[in-house]
Amino acid sequence: AQSVAQPEDQVNVAEGNPLTVKCTYSVSGNPYLFWYVQYPNRGLQFLLKYITGDNLVKGSYGFEAEFNKSQTSFHLKKPSALVSDSALYFCAVRDPPPTGGFKTIFGAGTRLFVKA
Amino acid sequence: KAGVTQTPRYLIKTRGQQVTLSCSPISGHRSVSWYQQTPGQGLQFLFEYFSETQRNKGNFPGRFSGRQFSNSRSEMNVSTLELGDSALYLCASSLGASGPNTGELFFGEGSRLTVL
Repeated sequence: AQSVAQPEDQVNVAEGNPLTVKCTYSVSGNPYLFWYVQYPNRGLQFLLKYITGDNLVKGSYGFEAEFNKSQTSFHLKKPSALVSDSALYFCAVRDPPPTGGFKTIFGAGTRLFVKA
Repeated sequence: KAGVTQTPRYLIKTRGQQVTLSCSPISGHRSVSWYQQTPGQGLQFLFEYFSETQRNKGNFPGRFSGRQFSNSRSEMNVSTLELGDSALYLCASSLGASGPNTGELFFGEGSRLTVL
């Protein structure tokens, strides 16, 4: 069964420092990987995705993620954190069509806290 | 382009009652997925509909049901409510077609259900 794991419940970083939010995955076949962000009392917003191609994927708000097939990881990164980046971040995996339909599985989430 | 719209945003019910939640997807999106979000369980997949057909279903009891109409709008129903059903219910739409340029989910703000 497909799954994703986010090993850290919370990540603390100072504003201006680089940040990394970790994610590892377990899927059969080629993975479709995503990152989403959730601000308080809001729905989730799509940040970026990896389907195929370059291992470094760039997304919204200056975020990027690195796909590492050998380590089955898809870590979210940003060179310089902002206080406004403080939010709940979810890694997700989706079965590549057509075998698994369009069921997306989310990790438990990592709360990012950026201190001024 | 209007986003995903969920109604109602907040509702309070008592045990044993039933509830119906509504979701209007982004125009042109044919896939609608439902998720339950709780602090303890994170984001749990309920079901996914595409062209009025349920394509995938999560591990929830039969009290949880849904449907999709010809205009892609979707409803989910929870019967015989239990205290544990208190959660944020999120609806997400996507194009739903196969291919590398589809797959990300667009979420609504959610319907927050409180069961007393």
